[in-house]
Amino acid sequence: QVQLRESGPGLVKPSQTLSLTCAVSDDSVKNAQFYWSWVRQSPGKGLEWIGYIGYIPSSERTHYNPALNSRATISGDTSKNSISLILSSVTAADTAVYYCIRGHYDSSGYYSLDQWGRGTLVTVSS
Amino acid sequence: EILLTQSPATLSLSPGERATLSCRASQSVNSYLAWFQQKPGQAPRLLMSDASTRATGIPARFSGSGSGTDFTLTISSLEPEDFAIYYCQQRTNWPLTFGGGTRVEIK
Repeated sequence: QVQLRESGPGLVKPSQTLSLTCAVSDDSVKNAQFYWSWVRQSPGKGLEWIGYIGYIPSSERTHYNPALNSRATISGDTSKNSISLILSSVTAADTAVYYCIRGHYDSSGYYSLDQWGRGTLVTVSS
Repeated sequence: EILLTQSPATLSLSPGERATLSCRASQSVNSYLAWFQQKPGQAPRLLMSDASTRATGIPARFSGSGSGTDFTLTISSLEPEDFAIYYCQQRTNWPLTFGGGTRVEIK
């Protein structure tokens, strides 16, 4: 079973950039069957899908939640078998637990969030 | 985006009782409504990948129904490990969205 382990700074100052990494074990981020999402959970806004990345042969595909106003960037490092999230210009509203998730497009043609990492807490505060 | 409204916010029941949780969508999501269970300190776990399809390894006491805009998750007889928060999530439209959750607590 795939293992997903999120890591990050824990504390970020307002207006700075948040950077998180998801280390993937027992699968490859290049596996074309899967797309790798970030979801966050905060007391104020609940669960919020941020975006995903997938590796279709020869290129990356990304898709984002427009509510993040283009502040989020998801990328992959195939040499380290990891996925990263960068979130710019953070505010206190970005305080949340951030989860890395392996998902796939099933026979219905819709994307399913299947395997979740344990999450990492990020607090935005000066 | 599609809004999902879950009710009730809290359900107080005893072990062995039947739990009925509701999720209403602001527009049709066909049957592509998933359910997750979350316990304290843990990530959400996929229970139902669609309105009535249990995910791998999920016990048969969990069942789901509905289509269009109204959905129900039923736990036929609550086990001690079932007391948790349950979220619905639609996967028809982008962005993916979640409901606010129903807490099932021990009465």
